[in-house]
Amino acid sequence: DQQVKQNSPSLSVQEGRISILNCDYTNSMFDYFLWYKKYPAEGPTFLISISSIKDKNEDGRFTVFLNKSAKHLSLHIVPSQPGDSAVYFCAASGSGGSNYKLTFGKGTLLTVNP
Amino acid sequence: DAGITQSPRHKVTETGTPVTLRCHQTENHRYMYWYRQDPGHGLRLIHYSYGVKDTDKGEVSDGYSVSRSKTEDFLLTLESATSSQTSVYFCAISEGYTGELFFGEGSRLTVL
Repeated sequence: DQQVKQNSPSLSVQEGRISILNCDYTNSMFDYFLWYKKYPAEGPTFLISISSIKDKNEDGRFTVFLNKSAKHLSLHIVPSQPGDSAVYFCAASGSGGSNYKLTFGKGTLLTVNP
Repeated sequence: DAGITQSPRHKVTETGTPVTLRCHQTENHRYMYWYRQDPGHGLRLIHYSYGVKDTDKGEVSDGYSVSRSKTEDFLLTLESATSSQTSVYFCAISEGYTGELFFGEGSRLTVL
């Protein structure tokens, strides 16, 4: 049973435009959400996170939005750059003593075309 | 960059042979994890450790065992490798509470 879902395996955008990556979750105990970026032949690297007490977190070109009622979060990249081309993983952790474990989605391959 | 070293980085082995992957950290983080990445599955947790000699299973632990005798080292063992264990294995570390993990560069294992 997949608790974190990234329903788009891939996304292609033009350089300079907005990239929107989506993520849905089913476990209402999740209260902390993260996005990771992964280049080929490298380990994933942390990008941005958001706590369930917020609905938006911004860091430069990257903004994460959280809609708790819909159990949905999205990552916005503006403007998109060719160097942003990578696989993006959505991840979530829960409370109740399990918040040191992350559950990951399957990832979305973002391609930014020059 | 977090100090995480995985070894070996690449390994080809035959079905039925034992394999051990090593993760070494220099950050003194309490939590260590082993994930595998497969096409169509994303990152799946195999085992994790919350302290020396304290380990627990993740979602895909069958066929794997782990040991942590020192804070800095976390070993993943495949007692008898199978072709379904062909994958890229990532070690990760964490201080704990927020869930932010730092990943190693991965170990690519091919089981023939």
